[in-house]
Amino acid sequence: AQSVTQLGSHVSVSEGALVLLRCNYSSSVPPYLFWYVQYPNQGLQLLLKYTSAATLVKGINGFEAEFKKSETSFHLTKPSAHMSDAAEYFCAVSPAFQGGSEKLVFGKGTKLTVNP
Amino acid sequence: NAGVTQTPKFQVLKTGQSMTLQCAQDMNHEYMSWYRQDPGMGLRLIHYSVGAGITDQGEVPNGYNVSRSTTEDFPLRLLSAAPSQTSVYFCASSYNRVTYEQYFGPGTRLTVT
Repeated sequence: AQSVTQLGSHVSVSEGALVLLRCNYSSSVPPYLFWYVQYPNQGLQLLLKYTSAATLVKGINGFEAEFKKSETSFHLTKPSAHMSDAAEYFCAVSPAFQGGSEKLVFGKGTKLTVNP
Repeated sequence: NAGVTQTPKFQVLKTGQSMTLQCAQDMNHEYMSWYRQDPGMGLRLIHYSVGAGITDQGEVPNGYNVSRSTTEDFPLRLLSAAPSQTSVYFCASSYNRVTYEQYFGPGTRLTVT
């Protein structure tokens, strides 16, 4: 079974500061990993995904994440926060080769606040 | 393409009433899913489908029913609404397992009184 833990339900940063959102996963098989963003009153939008190619994955809006198997982590980073990054971020996992995108397992989410 | 569409956007039900949340996609995606989102809980999978005529249960299927008669549509039925079903419901679709990317609809906010 898969599970996802997002450390910190709320993260606050200043505009221009580093954004670091933490995600650790548990999976009995090689996982595929995703970060989604949700702006207020909207659906989820894919930021980036890891599907066993390069361990450093670049996504939209300047975000990137690094898959670290030894640490079972997939942390999301952005060098310089912008006010428009304020949103809720979800990490999700699916089991590679055993069914995938139709049954993602999500973390509980991290709400990012960006202060001027 | 309209992508994934959901209707209605908002709904208020009384306990015991039934209703259907509609979901449609125009991307010819084989895989479709229903999730519910509750504060502090993330998204939890209710039901999913891997093609027309094929559905299966997710993590929280009780009180919900689905069918998939066409590739485009994947309605979610609440059989007898309960206050515990107050939530935001998202429908999602993906092309195939190789792509592994789900596209989400805008959601339906349901309140059961």
